[in-house]
Amino acid sequence: AQSVTQPDIHITVSEGASLELRCNYSYGATPYLFWYVQSPGQGLQLLLKYFSGDTLVQGIKGFEAEFKRSQSSFNLRKPSVHWSDAAEYFCAVGAMNRDDKIIFGKGTRLHILP
Amino acid sequence: EAGVTQFPSHSVIEKGQTVTLRCDPISGHDNLYWYRRVMGKEIKFLLHFVKESKQDESGMPNNRFLAERTGGTYSTLKVQPAELEDSGVYFCASSPLGQGVWEAFFGQGTRLTVV
Repeated sequence: AQSVTQPDIHITVSEGASLELRCNYSYGATPYLFWYVQSPGQGLQLLLKYFSGDTLVQGIKGFEAEFKRSQSSFNLRKPSVHWSDAAEYFCAVGAMNRDDKIIFGKGTRLHILP
Repeated sequence: EAGVTQFPSHSVIEKGQTVTLRCDPISGHDNLYWYRRVMGKEIKFLLHFVKESKQDESGMPNNRFLAERTGGTYSTLKVQPAELEDSGVYFCASSPLGQGVWEAFFGQGTRLTVV
């Protein structure tokens, strides 16, 4: 079955510290992979995506993610978080045949300590 | 340019009542998607419109849910009668024809609470 697992429901880091949010997926085909963010009162915003090629992808707001096929993982990282990064982050997977469905994880809520 | 707009932002209704959620996509976007996040669960696909036609409604949970997109512009999602398990956040997204849902712009969501 196709699924996305985000093992951490909540993560708390201090401002300026590094961040890694974990994501594992189960998908029968070669996946498209995504990270979205939802800030308070805002819609879901695409942070970055991986389709093919370089397994380290850069996104907006200083985020990056690395696709590791052997581990079925697509972890999101940021070297130094800012208070404005406090939000909920969703990992998602989609099909290369573009059937227009993407499968989301349950989300990880990021809290930032001043 | 206005983004995807959803109305209302919050709705609290009693079990058995009817609620209609509205989504105004970005002007010119033919693709319109509805997703739902039930408390503590994943965001799940409900359906996909291309213009006024339902391209895929495989995610609609049951026949208490009715989605329409008259004239291919805004869309409504009606829940009738609402049940407790319908509580959650309903997201709408839109994208131009030929682009996938990952290229879609999402609205801020409507938080529905059924009591």
